[in-house]
Amino acid sequence: EIVMTQSPATLSVSPGERATLSCRASQSVSSKLAWYQQKPGQAPRLLIYGAATRATGIPARFSGSGSGTEFTLTISSLQSEDFAVYYCQQYNNWPRTFGQGTKVEIK
Amino acid sequence: QVQLQQWGAGLLKPSETLSLTCAVYGGSFSGYYWSWIRQPPGKGLEWIGEINHSGGTNYNPSLKSRVTISVDTSKNQFSLKLSSVTAADTAVYYCARGQYGGSGNSYYYGIDVWGQGTTVTVSS
Repeated sequence: EIVMTQSPATLSVSPGERATLSCRASQSVSSKLAWYQQKPGQAPRLLIYGAATRATGIPARFSGSGSGTEFTLTISSLQSEDFAVYYCQQYNNWPRTFGQGTKVEIK
Repeated sequence: QVQLQQWGAGLLKPSETLSLTCAVYGGSFSGYYWSWIRQPPGKGLEWIGEINHSGGTNYNPSLKSRVTISVDTSKNQFSLKLSSVTAADTAVYYCARGQYGGSGNSYYYGIDVWGQGTTVTVSS
């Protein structure tokens, strides 16, 4: 099983600032990585797939990069609605494992 | 617009079987992976498994001995059964649609539609 490790666990950011979230795979997953956003009491929402492709309707302030074992999700200018928990998921191998999440909170 | 509506028992006793069903409305049933994902209280997401419209399945090895995912294409529904539940199976269970395409290095996948979630509590 591929273990996905996200850092930091919590990120405190002021509105308008940039947020950078990391995700590391225990072995190469090529570019087969997705990012999700989850707000309290809601189901997750797909943000990014293929490491860098935004899903339908996702604002351009969200961008993904990386390949192999190191990935980054960047939110260029945080809006109030972006404060949430973010998960990465690899789909290179079964089972399709998630990271443990990074909570982005208001500083 | 595709919607997933899920239902099932929310309170179980240890050793019972969890049973959830998810109906797909407003879209094609074929060409997707139909998935189950769970989230224990205050914790992260755990992928349980998936099925395609032909009945092909992939399961999380950590749950494989207890999990069955099945599909009823005539009703556009898929189901989850998890046997011999314990308190560790207490979680919100989501049904979801995995969209995929491409091949090789261009293969892509993403869970783009989610059900509303069902809270399942296992307690004696």
